Amino acid sequence: AQSVTQLDSHVSVSEGTPVLLRCNYSSSYSPSLFWYVQHPNKGLQLLLKYTSAATLVKGINGFEAEFKKSETSFHLTKPSAHMSDAAEYFCVVEINTGTASKLTFGTGTRLQVTL
Amino acid sequence: DTEVTQTPKHLVMGMTNKKSLKCEQHMGHRAMYWYKQKAKKPPELMFVYSYEKLSINESVPSRFSPECPNSSLLNLHLHALQPEDSALYLCASSQDRGRPHSYEQYFGPGTRLTVT
Repeated sequence: AQSVTQLDSHVSVSEGTPVLLRCNYSSSYSPSLFWYVQHPNKGLQLLLKYTSAATLVKGINGFEAEFKKSETSFHLTKPSAHMSDAAEYFCVVEINTGTASKLTFGTGTRLQVTL
Repeated sequence: DTEVTQTPKHLVMGMTNKKSLKCEQHMGHRAMYWYKQKAKKPPELMFVYSYEKLSINESVPSRFSPECPNSSLLNLHLHALQPEDSALYLCASSQDRGRPHSYEQYFGPGTRLTVT
């Protein structure tokens, strides 16, 4: 069965420093993986997706993630945090049932950015 | 236009009321989804419509009744809800429902529902 585990429930960084949000996945075949961001009282916005093309995926707002099959990881990074990056981040794996596409969400990582 | 709209933004209803949530997209997507999100939790899938037919019902209680009148619209009819049904209800759409192509889901801003 496909699943994702977000290793940190809360990450705090200073503005201008690098961001690392960790995600490990479990899948019996090559998965489709996504990172979504949710700002307070908002819907979810897609940051980036991996669908078995390039292993280094670039997303919006300077975020990127690297798919590492040997480590079953899909960590999200950004070189320099901005105050506006403070939000909840979800690592997501797609489960394809043959008739529909279902997303399974990790438990989320709350990113706090301080001055 | 990559926008999914949801109305209303907020809804307060009593346990005997009947209300509906509405979701609309004009991206030509043929799959639409309802999710429920409790505070500080990830979204949980409730229903999937594919080509206007109900494809997945995640064992949701019958007090939630989805409807897809056309390819752009998705409704969620609510009746006799319980206080524990208070949550953020998110709608999403995607270009198609699955393999061989994997299409990302676009989410609306949600309806904040409070059941009193």
